[in-house]
Amino acid sequence: AQSVTQPDIHITVSEGASLELRCNYSYGATPYLFWYVQSPGQGLQLLLKYFSGDTLVQGIKGFEAEFKRSQSSFNLRKPSVHWSDAAEYFCAVETSYDKVIFGPGTSLSVIP
Amino acid sequence: EAGVAQSPRYKIIEKRQSVAFWCNPISGHATLYWYQQILGQGPKLLIQFQNNGVVDDSQLPKDRFSAERLKGVDSTLKIQPAKLEDSAVYLCASRAGLKETQYFGPGTRLLVL
Repeated sequence: AQSVTQPDIHITVSEGASLELRCNYSYGATPYLFWYVQSPGQGLQLLLKYFSGDTLVQGIKGFEAEFKRSQSSFNLRKPSVHWSDAAEYFCAVETSYDKVIFGPGTSLSVIP
Repeated sequence: EAGVAQSPRYKIIEKRQSVAFWCNPISGHATLYWYQQILGQGPKLLIQFQNNGVVDDSQLPKDRFSAERLKGVDSTLKIQPAKLEDSAVYLCASRAGLKETQYFGPGTRLLVL
């Protein structure tokens, strides 16, 4: 069965530090992968997506993610975190028939 | 371009009561999704429509939940009767097609007492 795991429930980083959020997926075919962000009281916003081609994808707000097929991973990175990045981050995989499955999320706190 | 609209934004009911949520997707978006997001968890897909047909409702508790999408546009999700464990945010999303971005509405926060 298709699934998405995000091993880190909560991460705390200092403002200006680098960030990496982990995501692993289980899907037999080539996946379509997404990262979403959800700020408190806000809806889900797409950060970036991977369908094919270059395995390093750039997104909004300075985020990037790297697809590694051998590790079934799609980790999200940002070189320098801002206080406004504090939010919940969700990795998602699209399977057949446009079905999108979300991971449990990683909560990011930023220390000023 | 208008986003995905949902109403109401908040709802408080007592257990065993019924409740309905409404979603208006982005114009022209063929695919519509309803998700349930329990506090501290990721969104869980309840039902997916392609135009006015159901593509996937494998995780919809059909003994109490129902959903419809009339004329392939607006959609309603109903819970009858509600249980305490139904307390969650109900998210509606739409997309134009495969590989396209999913756009989410603001959600309806349901509290069942």
